[in-house]
Amino acid sequence: DQQVKQNSPSLSVQEGRISILNCDYTNSMFDYFLWYKKYPAEGPTFLISISSIKDKNEDGRFTVFLNKSAKHLSLHIVPSQPGDSAVYFCRPPIQGAQKLVFGQGTRLTINP
Amino acid sequence: DAGVIQSPRHEVTEMGQEVTLRCKPISGHNSLFWYRQTMMRGLELLIYFNNNVPIDDSGMPEDRFSAKMPNASFSTLKIQPSEPRDSAVYFCASRESGELFFGEGSRLTVL
Repeated sequence: DQQVKQNSPSLSVQEGRISILNCDYTNSMFDYFLWYKKYPAEGPTFLISISSIKDKNEDGRFTVFLNKSAKHLSLHIVPSQPGDSAVYFCRPPIQGAQKLVFGQGTRLTINP
Repeated sequence: DAGVIQSPRHEVTEMGQEVTLRCKPISGHNSLFWYRQTMMRGLELLIYFNNNVPIDDSGMPEDRFSAKMPNASFSTLKIQPSEPRDSAVYFCASRESGELFFGEGSRLTVL
């Protein structure tokens, strides 16, 4: 049972434009979410998180929006830069002893 | 500030022994991360603390691994019992809001 789903396996965006990566979840009890970024041959690195008490969290060029009624979150990158080309994962918190998995990830490619 | 301080820098131990790696984050940083780097898997996030509370431990490979952060200035990563496949460089990193600052790593060799 996949608790988070990233329906777009890939996204291509022009440099300087806005990149929007989407993530849907099923469990309304999740109280925060985390986004990770992964380059090839490297481990994922934490990027940004959002608590369910907020609907927006901004960190530089990265902003994450949370729509609790729709069980949907999105990561906005603006302006997009070539170095942003990577795979992005969203994930909910650990729930007790259950080991959760990342979503499928979205491969973002920034074109010059 | 001295940066993120890790100890020991090098540890060689025999399989089955307990290993404890230590980290002192940069003062004022409220997030602390433990990573493991290997040739095969690159840099893997093991666990992440925010305000001393473990937030995401999904990267911890198995129950032999445990991490604690008893206060804002100290964290440990323990492996018990250690196995040869645990041989790697273990990095600690901290951040306040933005850039992640890494320590110099602890190279663990399990014979």
